[in-house]
Amino acid sequence: KAGVTQTPRYLIKTRGQQVTLSCSPISGHRSVSWYQQTPGQGLQFLFEYFSETQRNKGNFPGRFSGRQFSNSRSEMNVSTLELGDSALYLCASKTSGRSSYEQYFGPGTRLTVT
Amino acid sequence: AQSVTQLGSHVSVSEGALVLLRCNYSSSVPPYLFWYVQYPNQGLQLLLKYTSAATLVKGINGFEAEFKKSETSFHLTKPSAHMSDAAEYFCAVSEEGSGNTGKLIFGQGTTLQVKP
Repeated sequence: KAGVTQTPRYLIKTRGQQVTLSCSPISGHRSVSWYQQTPGQGLQFLFEYFSETQRNKGNFPGRFSGRQFSNSRSEMNVSTLELGDSALYLCASKTSGRSSYEQYFGPGTRLTVT
Repeated sequence: AQSVTQLGSHVSVSEGALVLLRCNYSSSVPPYLFWYVQYPNQGLQLLLKYTSAATLVKGINGFEAEFKKSETSFHLTKPSAHMSDAAEYFCAVSEEGSGNTGKLIFGQGTTLQVKP
């Protein structure tokens, strides 16, 4: 079974621009979560989508948004990029069963804002 | 609110020595706890998880962790370190103890260095 895939793997953007990152979960997984990883703040939860609905949201400004499609693929969007948005963005998927504890992470998208 | 504290941002051991990475959690409900490993330029890989069954949990690559409620700890150990264990390790707790949400709260991470 293929793992979680994220595209693109690397991205360079300029301040003020917007960016869209994509995540394809493991086949059959309906929950997709996004995390931001920076050296200063560590790993922080952005949001979770389940069956095309946002189920959880972290403490990030409204510039960060996401969505999920009917095939469970998810995208996150960051508008009006700031230098501090430079980070590794990780996507994780999990099943929706009662014993669905494990999250499986993708390799991440490295975003650099200049 | 739940939180995780990893004691020691950097741990160095010799090859063949015991590995001990410390994790303490704060939770008002029974937690679900996880250890993940991250190699350079890669995502996170699940090493092991505690989900209220056995308190001693065995994971991949020879790692294990023991859940101690009285100490609110979930330390990760490995009897004998290999060079390939050099990576960053993250302890995480599932919010609200449900385990079924997608929100994980992570510790700050511990970089493990293995010396030959």
